[in-house]
Amino acid sequence: GDSVTQMEGPVTLSEEAFLTINCTYTATGYPSLFWYVQYPGEGLQLLLKATKADDKGSNKGFEATYRKETTSFHLEKGSVQVSDSAVYFCALIQTNFGNEKLTFGTGTRLTIIP
Amino acid sequence: GAVVSQHPSWVICKSGTSVKIECRSLDFQATTMFWYRQFPKQSLMLMATSNEGSKATYEQGVEKDKFLINHASLTLSTLTVTSAHPEDSSFYICSAPAGMINEQFFGPGTRLTVL
Repeated sequence: GDSVTQMEGPVTLSEEAFLTINCTYTATGYPSLFWYVQYPGEGLQLLLKATKADDKGSNKGFEATYRKETTSFHLEKGSVQVSDSAVYFCALIQTNFGNEKLTFGTGTRLTIIP
Repeated sequence: GAVVSQHPSWVICKSGTSVKIECRSLDFQATTMFWYRQFPKQSLMLMATSNEGSKATYEQGVEKDKFLINHASLTLSTLTVTSAHPEDSSFYICSAPAGMINEQFFGPGTRLTVL
C-alpha cells in the first residue's frame, strides 16, 4: 500500500537557519503530494502542494519539489523564524483511483529558538 | 478556500457519558468526510470515512459501536463517542475533500477529555 516516510524529529534550529525536512513516498500511480502544518493546539493547515512530477509547491517561504525519480518531496526554507515552530506532516493522496484518503507521514516537530 | 468547522472545540465529560462532535463544511458540499484521531505527539490516525446517505466505513481496529458516525447532510457529519472512557481522551479532527484533486480541508479539531 501507499506510505510516506518522514524525517524523524524533533528538530531544533536557531532563528534564520536553513531548514530541510525529508519526505519520501511509496505509491502506485501518480499521487498528489502535500505538506501540512499544525501549530500548537490547532488543526492541520495546508502549507503547500504539488500535483505532478517536477512541480514546486511554495508558501510562506517554504518550498518543496515533487521528485518522481527519487520519490521525494522534501520541505525547505531558507531562513526560519520562531513562528515556524510547529509539527509538519508530509502526505499523499491518490487522485487517479478515486481514493480520497490521505496517507500521512508521522510528522516532524520543529522548534525554532531565538 | 474551502472551510471546515468543528464543534465543540473542546469538551470535558465524565466517564460513561456520550459526546457528540460536529463537523461542517461551510461553503461547499461534501459527500465524504473523514474522521481522524490524534494522540499527543503522534500522527493522525484515520478512524473512518463518513458517507452521506450511507453507512460509514471504519478502519481496521476502530469500534463502530463506540464511535458512531452519521452523515446527516451534504454539509454535516457527526461523531458520537459512546460510553466514553479516559482512554478515549484525544484530539479528534475531521476533514472533507474539495476541488479538482480532492484536496482535504481540515477542521480545527476537538479536544476530548474524559474524566
